[in-house]
Amino acid sequence: QSALTQPRSVSGSPGQSVTISCTGTSSDVGGYHYVSWYQHHPGKAPKLMIYDVNKRPSGVPDRFSGSKSGNTASLTISGLQAEDEADYYCCSYAGSYTLVFGGGTKVTVL
Amino acid sequence: QVTLRESGPALVKPTQTLTLTCTFSGFSLTTGGMCVSWIRQPPGKALEWLARIDWDDDKYYSTSLKTRLTISKDASKNQVVLTMTNMDPVDTATYYCARTVVTISYYMAVWGKGTTVTVSS
Repeated sequence: QSALTQPRSVSGSPGQSVTISCTGTSSDVGGYHYVSWYQHHPGKAPKLMIYDVNKRPSGVPDRFSGSKSGNTASLTISGLQAEDEADYYCCSYAGSYTLVFGGGTKVTVL
Repeated sequence: QVTLRESGPALVKPTQTLTLTCTFSGFSLTTGGMCVSWIRQPPGKALEWLARIDWDDDKYYSTSLKTRLTISKDASKNQVVLTMTNMDPVDTATYYCARTVVTISYYMAVWGKGTTVTVSS
């Protein structure tokens, strides 16, 4: 499978909202409700932020939200904070028990 | 608290076989619904899902790498082992293991910090 397409970078000022898109195909993002998002600070373990398109694990601030339309999923960070600066990766089920990731988006807090 | 830690050689030579171990705590692979996946990230590139092993010993592999990968578990030691044969410089990457949820869903709930493997002669 090809990697899902994400913008390389997005940026925003503290308090603003940013949205990261994740575009796939009908064989992955568009075909299943199993889209997840991960936050990665370099040198640390990636952290689950969203699963099943729009569900937040316990402990993840409600500033993080997920959605999907057709073959594109999105992660929105509202009320951007300094600690949100990190790399973000989307992931989708791609059939036959396999997963495919996006290329990653660097979020910069200005 | 669920934790996972990856371990293995930092350097392997081309054509060698890589063996990585994931040692975890806070859950048991004898419990129904528990799974562990391996994922890697080459420098500057995307994450890539490699393999998954389930509590019932079912195993699943990346389509593109399945001829080179073997995943196994030792539930008594809380360990999952991944072997990758015929290593090449393009396999240079940080390798992660993660507790994976597959019950009416599919995502990596908790990740390890990763272990970096360089393939070079």
